Amino acid sequence: DSGVTQTPKHLITATGQRVTLRCSPRSGDLSVYWYQQSLDQGLQFLIQYYNGEERAKGNILERFSAQQFPDLHSELNLSSLELGDSALYFCASSPTGAAPGELFFGEGSRLTVL
Amino acid sequence: DQQVKQNSPSLSVQEGRISILNCDYTNSMFDYFLWYKKYPAEGPTFLISISSIKDKNEDGRFTVFLNKSAKHLSLHIVPSQPGDSAVYFCAASGTGTASKLTFGTGTRLQVTL
Repeated sequence: DSGVTQTPKHLITATGQRVTLRCSPRSGDLSVYWYQQSLDQGLQFLIQYYNGEERAKGNILERFSAQQFPDLHSELNLSSLELGDSALYFCASSPTGAAPGELFFGEGSRLTVL
Repeated sequence: DQQVKQNSPSLSVQEGRISILNCDYTNSMFDYFLWYKKYPAEGPTFLISISSIKDKNEDGRFTVFLNKSAKHLSLHIVPSQPGDSAVYFCAASGTGTASKLTFGTGTRLQVTL
């Protein structure tokens, strides 16, 4: 158990809909990251937040947005969903001062768009 | 454009033998490399890392080798154990972009009895 909690674990929805994925980082971790893993692909970096502020951005689509709340949990919002958005979405957190890239990942939220 | 490549989708090794997982990268700006292990229905777990100023890093049964001139790194597991059966992801980051890991597509290792 990494200590990172993601909900929901599974989600099935239709094209054009909007969903919200939630992540609670490990206690005390200020950084939250979102990654997307499509079928047979590596994890793709989407976005990072640090203590409520956006810190780094990857190739995140304009239809996607994220935020980190004062209690440090984060939400990833996916709108106008397309079939290609079907993927595993991972949240990760890291403590301040951690070695580069050493992240603690949640179990992921599997999104299926029909 | 895949900047981190794991060309072997799968590998099968007998228990007790050495497992060698390979990874190639194209971006010369990468200066930190990591291996993550992933079991089914779980998130990736950090395994071992290496900075570009080193060519080897060892942690118990796991050793990572980095060949900067060839832009190649490998993970050696000795001896391999059945519990090592998992998908292994190679990842890399560049200076100032430590949070933006670029992952390979993974190699599925199966350690047989």
